[in-house]
Amino acid sequence: SQTIHQWPATLVQPVGSPLSLECTVEGTSNPNLYWYRQAAGRGLQLLFYSVGIGQISSEVPQNLSASRPQDRQFILSSKKLLLSDSGFYLCAGVNYGYTFGSGTRLTVV
Amino acid sequence: QQPVQSPQAVILREGEDAVINCSSSKALYSVHWYRQKHGEAPVFLMILLKGGEQKGHEKISASFNEKKQQSSLYLTASQLSYSGTYFCGTLPGGGADGLTFGKGTHLIIQP
Repeated sequence: SQTIHQWPATLVQPVGSPLSLECTVEGTSNPNLYWYRQAAGRGLQLLFYSVGIGQISSEVPQNLSASRPQDRQFILSSKKLLLSDSGFYLCAGVNYGYTFGSGTRLTVV
Repeated sequence: QQPVQSPQAVILREGEDAVINCSSSKALYSVHWYRQKHGEAPVFLMILLKGGEQKGHEKISASFNEKKQQSSLYLTASQLSYSGTYFCGTLPGGGADGLTFGKGTHLIIQP
């Protein structure tokens, strides 16, 4: 079965600082991977998805970028965080249904 | 296009039944259902593929009417553990595009 690892669990960053969130996958090779963001009390917004190394599709224009340097590694980044980047960031992989990591709660102050 | 879920929230007594609906304006290939507890990640419940099937998982089942582009999640004899926010996620095709989720239905089960 597939396991998605995410860290850190919580993060408080000042406006204008960089961001790097890492997601790693265990139990599957060449998985399709996804980054979602969930604002407080809201639904899940798809940010990026990747079908393989170096292949990134962006769903919405924003202050974030993603990279897939290795088969089982998916990274979400920002050069300069905005207040609006606050939220609960979830990485997911597909194994029949979606398996989500435990998420990173980001607060930009 | 984001699917529309209804109701937005529902409060039940333990043992009562609930139905959560999910509708799309686009033709669908599949519908997923997830439950999210407060502060946690969503957990996969079931997937329904094009073909109008119905699935069940203990006292939770779902149906998918592809002609109407609608899915419904049925929770029978609800338990306290069913509390949480339920999301449907839809895919218009069978490719790698990510799921588009509805805004969620908050379900509160009271003893």
